[in-house]
Amino acid sequence: NAGVTQTPKFQVLKTGQSMTLQCAQDMNHNSMYWYRQDPGMGLRLIYYSASEGTTDKGEVPNGYNVSRLNKREFSLRLESAAPSQTSVYFCASSLDSFATQYFGPGTRLLVL
Amino acid sequence: RKEVEQDPGPFNVPEGATVAFNCTYSNSASQSFFWYRQDCRKEPKLLMSVYSSGNEDGRFTAQLNRASQYISLLIRDSKLSDSATYLCAVNRDDKIIFGKGTRLHILP
Repeated sequence: NAGVTQTPKFQVLKTGQSMTLQCAQDMNHNSMYWYRQDPGMGLRLIYYSASEGTTDKGEVPNGYNVSRLNKREFSLRLESAAPSQTSVYFCASSLDSFATQYFGPGTRLLVL
Repeated sequence: RKEVEQDPGPFNVPEGATVAFNCTYSNSASQSFFWYRQDCRKEPKLLMSVYSSGNEDGRFTAQLNRASQYISLLIRDSKLSDSATYLCAVNRDDKIIFGKGTRLHILP
């Protein structure tokens, strides 16, 4: 039982490059989330998917897109990376919107 | 008032002492409350959910005060391994909002 997995673990991009962060969960959870965490800013919600087939913006969605590919997978795409997107990105899942969230190990992204 | 607010600390506490954190929230309709622990460069992990009647798990006790809109975490007989950042989390509609965390350093 792997829980929540994220790939890649680390990534360095140049400004303007694109990339997709992958997230998968094997707990049969309905809800999935993408957060970014920056020093002094805490966890900020980028996008979430309350259930398969739905996605909604969180607190800081600009510059990102998401796809809920199926119940297990929720990807985050940066179309044109900017230095301000340098951060640690966490994916999380929960049984429903009110339940405990379980986090993946994170992706550390550096945009030069 | 911020949605979920915590004292950032750091709290520097000698080993064996008792330490308590509070977390205030602004949405009186919130129904789900949690404490998470986050170690340096790691993901947050659930420490405990917070129930209306309060709950205890070993050395950890969580309380909810709906009237004053805060949750608390009490750690008794603190260990060096308790050093971490403690995040509170509260639901708003269909999302969970996290506080920025309180840093705890247990001193030998």
